[in-house]
Amino acid sequence: QSALTQPPSASGSPGQSVTISCTGTSSDVGGHNFVSWYQQYPGKAPKLMIYEVNKRLSGVPDRFSGSKSGNTASLTVSGLRAEDEADYYCSSYAGNNNYVFGTGTKVTVL
Amino acid sequence: EVQLLESGGDLVQPGGSLRLSCAASGFTFSNNAMSWVRQAPGKGLEWVAIISASGGITQYADSVKGRATISRDNSANTLFLQMHTVRVEDTAVYFCAGESFHYWGQGTLVTVSS
Repeated sequence: QSALTQPPSASGSPGQSVTISCTGTSSDVGGHNFVSWYQQYPGKAPKLMIYEVNKRLSGVPDRFSGSKSGNTASLTVSGLRAEDEADYYCSSYAGNNNYVFGTGTKVTVL
Repeated sequence: EVQLLESGGDLVQPGGSLRLSCAASGFTFSNNAMSWVRQAPGKGLEWVAIISASGGITQYADSVKGRATISRDNSANTLFLQMHTVRVEDTAVYFCAGESFHYWGQGTLVTVSS
């Protein structure tokens, strides 16, 4: 049960795009279409943004999009806004009722 | 409105036990699998355990397997996590989460220290 690998940080200027990767194995990300992405502000609970790889939760701006290729999933935030500055985590189903989270990425809006 | 309210977080001595509760409202608790997820101070999220809607199936992260028990009372819309032989590394905010992590509580802090 190793954590999925995410870059520690990512940044972009307002209006730009940033893409965060989430790398796992064929047992988790690559083997199931149950990858989710969460946004977390300091001291707050995580908020589900994307589920089943690319489905946006109701109310999530379409600036947020998810994709997957092989053992790597990605979250793209387009048209960066100041309020997008937060920590982002991926998670994946890992089989046999197990789940695994990513290491987390801090997004900074310059 | 969906609400998940955790309680039971406290200062616990190494080797001791803890019992966390999560009171659910605003959705059909008995139809949903529920999980516990924890976050050590300044660290990332770690999935801890899951229980099926009926309570008949449970699974645990390797880090707590053999020390933790997840359970639920569907008549009271409440989720539980019991852990014994706690370690310093169990110090974290513990969140309950439901419906495939669509819903999250605000968390309860467990500190393991002598």
